[in-house]
Amino acid sequence: GENVEQHPSTLSVQEGDSAVIKCTYSDSASNYFPWYKQELGKRPQLIIDIRSNVGEKKDQRIAVTLNKTAKHFSLHITETQPEDSAVYFCAASETSYGKLTFGQGTILTVHP
Amino acid sequence: DGGITQSPKYLFRKEGQNVTLSCEQNLNHDAMYWYRQDPGQGLRLIYYSQIVNDFQKGDIAEGYSVSREKKESFPLTVTSAQKNPTAFYLCASSIPGSNQPQHFGDGTRLSIL
Repeated sequence: GENVEQHPSTLSVQEGDSAVIKCTYSDSASNYFPWYKQELGKRPQLIIDIRSNVGEKKDQRIAVTLNKTAKHFSLHITETQPEDSAVYFCAASETSYGKLTFGQGTILTVHP
Repeated sequence: DGGITQSPKYLFRKEGQNVTLSCEQNLNHDAMYWYRQDPGQGLRLIYYSQIVNDFQKGDIAEGYSVSREKKESFPLTVTSAQKNPTAFYLCASSIPGSNQPQHFGDGTRLSIL
């Protein structure tokens, strides 16, 4: 089955800096790679996703890049703000609607 | 997500008891999923169902059971065989064949007394 590894497990940045979180996956059949933000005790919220036919996708301060050959994808957050502080998860799936395999999560702390 | 309702929000279980977590959706989604989240970890798939009256085991199905008698409902039973049931349980749903991602419920936090 699929295995997703996520790094780093914790990330601390100053407000305004950029943050990068990286994930690798093992199953070449995976074609859909979402990123979720989870605040304490809440459900995960989808913040951006990318499909295998695209190498990069941006949404305001958030971007995701995908390298299918190397089986890795990354989340980039620019101009970080304290409200970006949360746990971020990457995931992989064969389809956007199918079962997800999650990474272990990254605790992002943005210091004012 | 207002379309998926998980109840209760907090649940307590005594050792040796079975307990059932409710998940109801009014999104008309065919597929439903149960994930378990332990502190400091990602979500792991317990069971999933692509259609009514059919379901498959996920990565950590031991000690759990499900049913899918109705499209809207996918209850999860944590049996006494699950030795470490304390966790945050999340239900999700989706439309097979669509471009839409899974929708998550707000979760149920289960603790052992």
